[in-house]
Amino acid sequence: AQSVTQLGSHVSVSEGALVLLRCNYSSSVPPYLFWYVQYPNQGLQLLLKYTTGATLVKGINGFEAEFKKSETSFHLTKPSAHMSDAAEYFCAVSGDNAGNMLTFGGGTRLMVKP
Amino acid sequence: DSGVTQTPKHLITATGQRVTLRCSPRSGDLSVYWYQQSLDQGLQFLIQYYNGEERAKGNILERFSAQQFPDLHSELNLSSLELGDSALYFCASSAGDSNYGYTFGSGTRLTVV
Repeated sequence: AQSVTQLGSHVSVSEGALVLLRCNYSSSVPPYLFWYVQYPNQGLQLLLKYTTGATLVKGINGFEAEFKKSETSFHLTKPSAHMSDAAEYFCAVSGDNAGNMLTFGGGTRLMVKP
Repeated sequence: DSGVTQTPKHLITATGQRVTLRCSPRSGDLSVYWYQQSLDQGLQFLIQYYNGEERAKGNILERFSAQQFPDLHSELNLSSLELGDSALYFCASSAGDSNYGYTFGSGTRLTVV
């Protein structure tokens, strides 16, 4: 069965600093990996996804993530945090179950200090 | 606007009652997924429908049921409600195979009092 672990339920960075949100997954088949963002009182919005091919994936709002099979990781980064990046971020995996539904990690709340 | 419509946005009801949450998927999407989001459980997969047929089931309670209609909209029925059922309920849709990701609705916030 597939699973996702997000290290750190809360991450705080200063505006302009590097953002690094960690995600490790478990899957018995080549995974499809996703990062979603959730702003307060809103649904989840897809930031980026890895399916096949290039392991460095670029998404919206300047975020990117790198698939590292040897480390079973898919960490999310952004070179310079902006106040508007404050939100909850979810890593998800699919591919290893009937129906191919997404399994989500517990989420990481990103706080950006001025 | 993601294209996935959920109604109502907010619902307050008493314990023991029954409610119905509605979801209209994005145009062209055949799969509908229901998730429950709570502070202690995170995002939990409930059930998936594909073109009217149940495709996968997660940790859905027996008091909960769902269906997808011929026009592809879906309803999640929650009965004999308990305080612990208070949560955000999300619907998501995809064209077929979710390996390319879902599109989420904005959710229904259910409060059981």
